[in-house]
Amino acid sequence: ELKVEQNPLFLSMQEGKNYTIYCNYSTTSDRLYWYRQDPGKSLESLFVLLSNGAVKQEGRLMASLDTKARLSTLHITAAVHDLSATYFCAVDREYRDDKIIFGKGTRLHILP
Amino acid sequence: GAGVSQTPSNKVTEKGKYVELRCDPISGHTALYWYRQSLGQGPEFLIYFQGTGAADDSGLPNDRFFAVRPEGSVSTLKIQRTERGDSAVYLCASSLSGSGEQYFGPGTRLTVT
Repeated sequence: ELKVEQNPLFLSMQEGKNYTIYCNYSTTSDRLYWYRQDPGKSLESLFVLLSNGAVKQEGRLMASLDTKARLSTLHITAAVHDLSATYFCAVDREYRDDKIIFGKGTRLHILP
Repeated sequence: GAGVSQTPSNKVTEKGKYVELRCDPISGHTALYWYRQSLGQGPEFLIYFQGTGAADDSGLPNDRFFAVRPEGSVSTLKIQRTERGDSAVYLCASSLSGSGEQYFGPGTRLTVT
């Protein structure tokens, strides 16, 4: 059974600091996703990582994927208050075009 | 272009009642997915349609839940004899078959009192 674990589940940090959210998954997968969700809103796709060693960056967020370790990271550089949200890691099953399995999410609170 | 839309945005119902939740996918997307998100949790898969047929309904929690997509576009999630534990946000997503990337709608917040 494919499982996704994120840590930490809650993170409070000061503006200007750097931090990393970790995502481990249990079996082989060929796509890893990072989503952002603001309170009361739906999911916003941030990154789709397709292969080992993939790295993508958008503004202050950078995501990477290590398929051998079954680990993805979401790194936040010089955090700003606007990045406060819940971030979900998700994977789908290798060779299947169907359901996505989500982690529980990391609730990020950035203090001004 | 228009994204995935869901109606209603909020639904409050009494325990034991029947509810229908509607999803309009992105035009041309053949794959449609339903997820349920409980408070403080990540979305959990319910059912996946490829065209008109349910390709995977393994996430439906019990036989009170049923979904249809009769013309391969709009889908309706139906919940019979609602229970308080059904309270959650129900998310719909669609994708071009084979592309993998799913686009999510705004969700329907269901509250069972």
